Amino acid sequence: QVQLQESGPGLVKPSETLSLTCTVSGGSISSSYWSWIRQPPGKGLEWIGYVHESGSTNYNPSLKSRVTMSVDTSNNQFSLKMSPVTVADTAVYYCARHKIVSGTSAFDYWGQGTLVTVSS
Amino acid sequence: DIVMTQSPDSLPVSLGERATINCKSSQSVLYTPNNKNYLAWYQQKPGQPPKLLISWASTRESGVPDRFSGSASGTDFTLTISSLQAEDVAVYYCQQYYSTPRTFGQGTKVEIK
Repeated sequence: QVQLQESGPGLVKPSETLSLTCTVSGGSISSSYWSWIRQPPGKGLEWIGYVHESGSTNYNPSLKSRVTMSVDTSNNQFSLKMSPVTVADTAVYYCARHKIVSGTSAFDYWGQGTLVTVSS
Repeated sequence: DIVMTQSPDSLPVSLGERATINCKSSQSVLYTPNNKNYLAWYQQKPGQPPKLLISWASTRESGVPDRFSGSASGTDFTLTISSLQAEDVAVYYCQQYYSTPRTFGQGTKVEIK
């Protein structure tokens, strides 16, 4: 059973960098695609982007200038960096696995999510 | 961007009755070479991450009760819960994975009438 767990600071100051890591257990990070998705409190879901073990990425154009994703295969982790952040980036951040080995896929496994609050 | 529009926003349904959620995409999400609609449905309960129910518009995930079904007609998609159970109270989202950026509907909240 694949499990994903997000980790990182729960509070980030405006104009600084949000950094999150997703640790994958019960399966290999290799040969799959991995996405980050966020959900502002009480609102809907927004796809941030995906990363492949090869390092290839695809970002939401609305966030592309501020987002960087990477993979650490030795630790079975992938990460998200977003900078600079504003209060509008306050949300629960989820990591998720693509169901099939393609960027064009639904998301079948999700982490529990981590709330990141942007506030001074 | 492909805009996904769900209706209704809120759906009160009596236990044992049918619940029907609609989702419309602003453009086709049908990939002609394989004749598949790149459309998924998710269920999200309070405090939990979304759970994948259906992919390819109508393929139920393993372990999902067969009271959940999905259908497609052009750019219109439907998620049907044939007989609502108490544990089905949740927000349901449709999502297209045909093109970038991946986009979700705004969600439909299913509650007990």
